[in-house]
Amino acid sequence: DTAVSQTPKYLVTQMGNDKSIKCEQNLGHDTMYWYKQDSKKFLKIMFSYNNKELIINETVPNRFSPKSPDKAHLNLHINSLELGDSAVYFCASSQGGSWEQYFGPGTRLTVT
Amino acid sequence: AQSVTQLGSHVSVSEGALVLLRCNYSSSVPPYLFWYVQYPNQGLQLLLKYTSAATLVKGINGFEAEFKKSETSFHLTKPSAHMSDAAEYFCAVSGPSRGGNKLTFGTGTQLKVEL
Repeated sequence: DTAVSQTPKYLVTQMGNDKSIKCEQNLGHDTMYWYKQDSKKFLKIMFSYNNKELIINETVPNRFSPKSPDKAHLNLHINSLELGDSAVYFCASSQGGSWEQYFGPGTRLTVT
Repeated sequence: AQSVTQLGSHVSVSEGALVLLRCNYSSSVPPYLFWYVQYPNQGLQLLLKYTSAATLVKGINGFEAEFKKSETSFHLTKPSAHMSDAAEYFCAVSGPSRGGNKLTFGTGTQLKVEL
C-alpha cells in the first residue's frame, strides 16, 4: 500500500551509460515531481508534470528526459551519465491545488 | 523568487530539552511554508504546513511552528526532544507556479539528540 514508490532504490553505473528510474503513485494525484538531493543534502526541483504535461523544467541538462505515460507514473531517463549526476533522486506527487507533496523513498544513483 | 534560510546546519540538544530549528523565508507573495523531516536513508515526510490560516501550526510528533510575518520566520519547535527525533529537517517555501507547486528547500538542519 506504498503511496509513492521508486525503483530501483540503489543504482550503480559507469560514466557514459544510460539509465532510468521509475516512479509510481497510488494516491490518485495529478501532479508529479522529480527532485535531486546532492551530497550536501541540498534538495532542488528538476521537473513537474501535471496530467502528463510538463509544467516545470528547472534548467536541467537535456540528458535528463522525464516521461509520464499516465498520471500515476513519472519516469526519469538519464543519458550519458556523468560523475556529477551522482545523487539521491526523489519522486513526489500532489493533487492539483494542494500544496502538500508526498515523497517517495528515493533512488541513490552512484556514477563511477 | 522565493527562498528559505535555515540557520544552523547542525543542532544538538539533550533528550527532554526544547528543540528550536530556525527558518527564515523570502517571498514577494504570501508564502506557503513547510517543514519536512528526513530520517537516515529515507524519503521526506511532511511535519507541518502553513497555508495562510492559523499562524501557529501544529504538526505530527509533537512539533509546531509559528508563522511570523514581521520577522519573516517560521521556526520549528518541540517542547521535549526524544531520541527518535534525530533526523535531518528541511524548511521549504512554495508559491504560485503555473500548474505545479514548486517547493524551494533550505539547506537542512541535522538534529542530534543526546542522552
